Amino acid sequence: EDQVTQSPEALRLQEGESSSLNCSYTVSGLRGLFWYRQDPGKGPEFLFTLYSAGEEKEKERLKATLTKKESFLHITAPKPEDSATYLCAVQATGSGYALNFGKGTSLLVTP
Amino acid sequence: ETGVTQTPRHLVMGMTNKKSLKCEQHLGHNAMYWYKQSAKKPLELMFVYNFKEQTENNSVPSRFSPECPNSSHLFLHLHTLQPEDSALYLCASSQAGTGNYGYTFGSGTRLTVV
Repeated sequence: EDQVTQSPEALRLQEGESSSLNCSYTVSGLRGLFWYRQDPGKGPEFLFTLYSAGEEKEKERLKATLTKKESFLHITAPKPEDSATYLCAVQATGSGYALNFGKGTSLLVTP
Repeated sequence: ETGVTQTPRHLVMGMTNKKSLKCEQHLGHNAMYWYKQSAKKPLELMFVYNFKEQTENNSVPSRFSPECPNSSHLFLHLHTLQPEDSALYLCASSQAGTGNYGYTFGSGTRLTVV
């Protein structure tokens, strides 16, 4: 059975204090790994898709990396507006197009 | 209107009521989804529609009934719900089969069952 585990559950950072969020996954065959950002009261907003081990993608202060067992979302010099819940999801080959989500990491960046 | 639009944004209903959630996507996508988001739990897939055909029903109770009249509209009909059904219901769409598998989500309907 596909499993997605995110850690930590919650993370508090000072503005400018870089850190990483982890997403460990178990899947029979990976079609893609997805990162989303979710603000309170809103739907998840797409950030990145990673398809194969070794792949990296960047957007502003965020960088996502992928290995065969886990993905990291690196946040460099975060700002308070980066505060949100970050969700990781995997899509398995042969599972149609369904995404299997982790519980998320709630990030708070204080000034 | 752009993206994925869900209405209503908030809904309070009694356990004997019947109501419907509506989702509309303006992206030309061919697949649509219903997810349930409860506190402290991961998003749970409920239903998948691919080219208007239901391709997945993730063991959802029959008090939830989906309807997809065309590739742009998706409904979730609700009847005789339980308090534990209170949650954020999210609709999403994607363009299946093109190599771009990411979803676009709506803002959700916050449902409270009293």
